[in-house]
Amino acid sequence: AQSVTQLDSHVSVSEGTPVLLRCNYSSSYSPSLFWYVQHPNKGLQLLLKYTSAATLVKGINGFEAEFKKSETSFHLTKPSAHMSDAAEYFCVVSSLTSGTYKYIFGTGTRLKVLA
Amino acid sequence: DARVTQTPRHKVTEMGQEVTMRCQPILGHNTVFWYRQTMMQGLELLAYFRNRAPLDDSGMPKDRFSAEMPDATLATLKIQPSEPRDSAVYFCASGLSGADEQYFGPGTRLTVT
Repeated sequence: AQSVTQLDSHVSVSEGTPVLLRCNYSSSYSPSLFWYVQHPNKGLQLLLKYTSAATLVKGINGFEAEFKKSETSFHLTKPSAHMSDAAEYFCVVSSLTSGTYKYIFGTGTRLKVLA
Repeated sequence: DARVTQTPRHKVTEMGQEVTMRCQPILGHNTVFWYRQTMMQGLELLAYFRNRAPLDDSGMPKDRFSAEMPDATLATLKIQPSEPRDSAVYFCASGLSGADEQYFGPGTRLTVT
């Protein structure tokens, strides 16, 4: 069965320092993987997606993620955090189950950016 | 800038009342999803439509919840009767396929007292 694990429920970084949000997945076939961001009282917004093309995926707002099949990981990174990056981040795997696709959401990582 | 719209944005109602939430998917998207988000349970898939036909509603309490797509531009989620435990934020999302990215609406925050 497909699953996704976000290893940290909370991450705090100082403004201007790198961000690393960790995600591991389990999938019996080549998965589609996504990162979404949710700002307070907002809907989810797509940051980036991996669909079996380049393993290093660049997204919006300076974020990128690397698909590592050997480690079953899809960690999200950003070289320099900005105050506006404070939000909740969800790692998602698209799973084919009983002939239909479903999103399997991670439990989320809340990113705090300190001034 | 195409986006998913949801109405109402906020709803406060009393236990036992009927609640209807509406969603307008992005024009041309043929898949529509309803999710519920709570602090305790996180994001839960309630229902999933493709080309207006329900593909999966296994996440939805059948006795009180119903989801429909009367036409390609409107999806509805109805709760009758509502209960305090239904208090949550309900999101609608649309996409071109179940495997691809989904575009989320701003959500309806429901409070049942």
